[in-house]
Amino acid sequence: GAVVSQHPSWVICKSGTSVKIECRSLDFQATTMFWYRQFPKQSLMLMATSNEGSKATYEQGVEKDKFLINHASLTLSTLTVTSAHPEDSSFYICSASEGGTQYFGPGTRLLVL
Amino acid sequence: QKEVEQNSGPLSVPEGAIASLNCTYSDRGSQSFFWYRQYSGKSPELIMFIYSNGDKEDGRFTAQLNKASQYVSLLIRDSQPSDSATYLCASGTSYGKLTFGQGTILTVHP
Repeated sequence: GAVVSQHPSWVICKSGTSVKIECRSLDFQATTMFWYRQFPKQSLMLMATSNEGSKATYEQGVEKDKFLINHASLTLSTLTVTSAHPEDSSFYICSASEGGTQYFGPGTRLLVL
Repeated sequence: QKEVEQNSGPLSVPEGAIASLNCTYSDRGSQSFFWYRQYSGKSPELIMFIYSNGDKEDGRFTAQLNKASQYVSLLIRDSQPSDSATYLCASGTSYGKLTFGQGTILTVHP
């Protein structure tokens, strides 16, 4: 149980384009999901908390207009990186919370050329 | 600033030995504590969680919590080369947000 999926697993895009990443809880409902970013050899950095049916809560320093989060249902949250630039290249990981425990998706590796 | 501190390592142990990973936290209001394992290039996977003082065992893994000392540890018995990874300690709030330590790199050599 407690399986979280992400799609796509990797994406390469041109600078200036937008990329959407989906996070799904497959066998449970998640009122709250989280989005993280991780650069090579660094720890996880929480970007935002996604709550079903309400606006996401962004961490300090994360641009909400650049990283759009939509939590439209209890099993799906999406992160859209708008006008992506090479510095946005990173490993994006979502997690879904069940009973206070976070279960992580497999991650999406984004490369912006 | 609510923090979780881990020794970044690397911690190197021989195969078959006990690996001991330690973590301290600053927020006395933390109620739940988690250990995740992260292989290079992969996302974290949950190993164990613990809420109460004392020990919690699951197979080769034992988590220990001492709230008075604000200390959490993870013991891995009969360590295997496949246990080589980064181990993340995290404290949790009532609404599910986690504060992560910087991770300890564990290497188990044959």
